[in-house]
Amino acid sequence: QSALTQPASVSGSPGQSITISCTGTTSDVGAYDYVSWYQQHPGKAPQLMIYDVSNRPSGVSNRFSGSKSGNTASLTISGLQAEDEADYYCTSYTSSNTRYVFGPGTRVTVL
Amino acid sequence: EVRLLESGGGLVQPGGSLRLSCAVSGFTFKTYAMSWVRQTPGRGLEWVSSISSAGSNTYYADSVKGRFSISRDNSKNTLYLHMNSLRVEDTAIYYCAKRLTTSHPGADFDYWGQGTLVTVSS
Repeated sequence: QSALTQPASVSGSPGQSITISCTGTTSDVGAYDYVSWYQQHPGKAPQLMIYDVSNRPSGVSNRFSGSKSGNTASLTISGLQAEDEADYYCTSYTSSNTRYVFGPGTRVTVL
Repeated sequence: EVRLLESGGGLVQPGGSLRLSCAVSGFTFKTYAMSWVRQTPGRGLEWVSSISSAGSNTYYADSVKGRFSISRDNSKNTLYLHMNSLRVEDTAIYYCAKRLTTSHPGADFDYWGQGTLVTVSS
């Protein structure tokens, strides 16, 4: 069972915006600004999309944005495109024995 | 170009051992902390272990503590994961991953290998 909670699936039409939530605790998401988001297409390795809550690595589209409020972080994808259809995982640094915790993943479907 | 190439996966019986390797190129290996992350269809992504840039600090998930050992050889640009007392539930694709930043312990793995499959079965 994952330490972070994400919705199993989110869908949207091309051009729309969607938001994926990631809920943790005061030991992880709520305690540190060390939340990252990963995109994973089938058969591929995960790709870092957002780090430190809201920073985008070089090369990642500005359609992807991140935020945090309390124990919940969010990933927003604006101007949804067919290529955005993938699984999305959040992760956070944690003060518990486990250094990093992942969410179970959210399947994004572009209708 | 940054490259991470895992090797050493395969089929092993419960209780057996394996050593995974991750050969890297394209960046100054000795500068960055490195990690192993595994993935199973049923449990998604799971952080396994991390090691500091110099190798002096290591960290493990509770599920592998006491059985797995992470190490690195900065002269060979290679990361290792020594896996002992393997269990069926250790079956997964194992990825090595590089940290993006060096200033704090964030969960920012910016480069990943292609993964190596470990199957634990009798």
